[in-house]
Amino acid sequence: NAGVMQNPRHLVRRRGQEARLRCSPMKGHSHVYWYRQLPEEGLKFMVYLQKENIIDESGMPKERFSAEFPKEGPSILRIQQVVRGDSAAYFCASSPSSGSVHEQFFGPGTRLTVL
Amino acid sequence: DAKTTQPNSMESNEEEPVHLPCNHSTISGTDYIHWYRQLPSQGPEYVIHGLTSNVNNRMASLAIAEDRKSSTLILHRATLRDAAVYYCILEGGAGGTSYGKLTFGQGTILTVHP
Repeated sequence: NAGVMQNPRHLVRRRGQEARLRCSPMKGHSHVYWYRQLPEEGLKFMVYLQKENIIDESGMPKERFSAEFPKEGPSILRIQQVVRGDSAAYFCASSPSSGSVHEQFFGPGTRLTVL
Repeated sequence: DAKTTQPNSMESNEEEPVHLPCNHSTISGTDYIHWYRQLPSQGPEYVIHGLTSNVNNRMASLAIAEDRKSSTLILHRATLRDAAVYYCILEGGAGGTSYGKLTFGQGTILTVHP
């Protein structure tokens, strides 16, 4: 059973470009969480999605950031018009259901660098 | 989310036990105690979780105080591969409004000496 997959592992963008980060959850998992880790800081929750639904986006910046988890295919975190402050490691995690009776399985992360 | 307090760093020697403490004096009755760790340049990894009783798994043991205001993660024999940042996290449990999202603090940086 493959783990959580994220691609690309490293992404370089110039200011103003768009960044698309993909996350394929573990097989059988329908719950996806995205977290961001800024340099020298801890991980911060961004958004929680179930298939075709955003459940909690309280940690996501109001502008330029969006997330989706379509019925088919990976979850996508999209950052429009990137700025240098978006440079960070973005991790996604999947779980078979919400709630703490199930652990979250994390992917290896996408390291975004904005020039 | 209830707050946890952990030491910034701890050191251990290889093959010795390690006790990583966590204080959570404002824990609520439905909060689970989770431990995750993050090795350098990797995503976090689940270690263990519990509610009231002590828990054991292949990676570690979790000792929870009777009043639940503190807990201790126990690595029985530290190896060099255990060097990581260890996070103690409270989460509101199934049926709560936190939906399982994890609130990471600064964690404890564990250094293991050969």
